[in-house]
Amino acid sequence: DAGITQSPRYKITETGRQVTLMCHQTWSHSYMFWYRQDLGHGLRLIYYSAAADITDKGEVPDGYVVSRSKTENFPLTLESATRSQTSVYFCASSASSYNEQFFGPGTRLTVL
Amino acid sequence: SQQGEEDPQALSIQEGENATMNCSYKTSINNLQWYRQNSGRGLVHLILIRSNEREKHSGRLRVTLDTSKKSSSLLITASRAADTASYFCATDEILFSGGYNKLIFGAGTRLAVHP
Repeated sequence: DAGITQSPRYKITETGRQVTLMCHQTWSHSYMFWYRQDLGHGLRLIYYSAAADITDKGEVPDGYVVSRSKTENFPLTLESATRSQTSVYFCASSASSYNEQFFGPGTRLTVL
Repeated sequence: SQQGEEDPQALSIQEGENATMNCSYKTSINNLQWYRQNSGRGLVHLILIRSNEREKHSGRLRVTLDTSKKSSSLLITASRAADTASYFCATDEILFSGGYNKLIFGAGTRLAVHP
């Protein structure tokens, strides 16, 4: 299916566990982004990638790791999950940094 | 840091009425975008207005941009129950000299349109 997908859609984990959220897009967009959405904060950028093998930090990168070995995939890993990382995570892609971004459906993560 | 701040935080209207949401931002921008988010879903792009544009239309949407006041407004005319959603403005900010821009989102306006 064309578009941008995220998996899993829902995840419950425990403090200290490693969790990986997957993001896949079929447009061959150069740019990909990870955001978290929390009440009262809107969307905050965690990491972004301008191309395969090029990644950089956003506003709130601490506790997260990303990689981008292929253009279409941009996984986000929480190395040791904390309760403060309970949130809804959105992946997005864009043809350029000036254009509209296309968002995935989100992953609701709960850290107990 | 939040660049765009939407106002009001929540808006409740009847079907057929117009809905106006405002966005203010702090620094110079290249463009400003508006997105909609239905409950439990990802954001959907509505419209992009560039800094050298003052007004833009798309169907029932009208966006204005006043760079001197660092503000934008989104007008939805003849609203429908299906317009019930949260609306976010997003402004671009150059990350570093490489020219990469990032979008900074406001906290959004929650619009409820009652039948």
